[in-house]
Amino acid sequence: DMKVTQMPRYLIKRMGENVLLECGQDMSHETMYWYRQDPGLGLQLIYISYDVDSNSEGDIPKGYRVSRKKREHFSLILDSAKTNQTSVYFCASEGAGTEVFFGKGTRLTVV
Amino acid sequence: GDSVTQTEGQVALSEEDFLTIHCNYSASGYPTLFWYVQYPGEGPQLLFRASRDKEKGSSRGFEATYDKGTTSFHLRKASVQESDSAVYYCALIDSNYQLIWGSGTKLIIKP
Repeated sequence: DMKVTQMPRYLIKRMGENVLLECGQDMSHETMYWYRQDPGLGLQLIYISYDVDSNSEGDIPKGYRVSRKKREHFSLILDSAKTNQTSVYFCASEGAGTEVFFGKGTRLTVV
Repeated sequence: GDSVTQTEGQVALSEEDFLTIHCNYSASGYPTLFWYVQYPGEGPQLLFRASRDKEKGSSRGFEATYDKGTTSFHLRKASVQESDSAVYYCALIDSNYQLIWGSGTKLIIKP
């Protein structure tokens, strides 16, 4: 069963704290994505990873960094979280035939 | 750059109404076009795709036809049900293998 798993599903952090969002996939896909989704703004691309240690900035990378040390894991890191980073974050991986599989999302609240 | 435009931010219909959600794209060549659906609390999931002019994609009663002449891929369903309430995203993969999303259309079905 093809799956993208995100942990945690819900997270509350204080402004200035570090945040780690984790994503795993069991499909050996090379390409993975991190998006954030805000009401009325759709999906905004933060980072793309083409494989281990091969990452590229998306449209809104400021304030974020990523790590991909194994093909099946892709992490999003917020160093010193800000209140405007409150959002729902989606991880996705891209399969053969270009179908993209999404996780269920992580709802992050920064207070 | 390449783009996808969904003109309706929200569509409200009654059960058994006919649905049209408009999607127009701007890209060179023959991008692959997609419709994704996102139910509450979930990540987007693929509804269907089309890769060439006049190709029709369909799934779960929804359909769209690739029209290179009008650069459109409008989503249609003859008779919507309450369970169709969701956000619908049009997307494309261009000749540079870049994935581009529309802004999404929220479908509300009034019981």
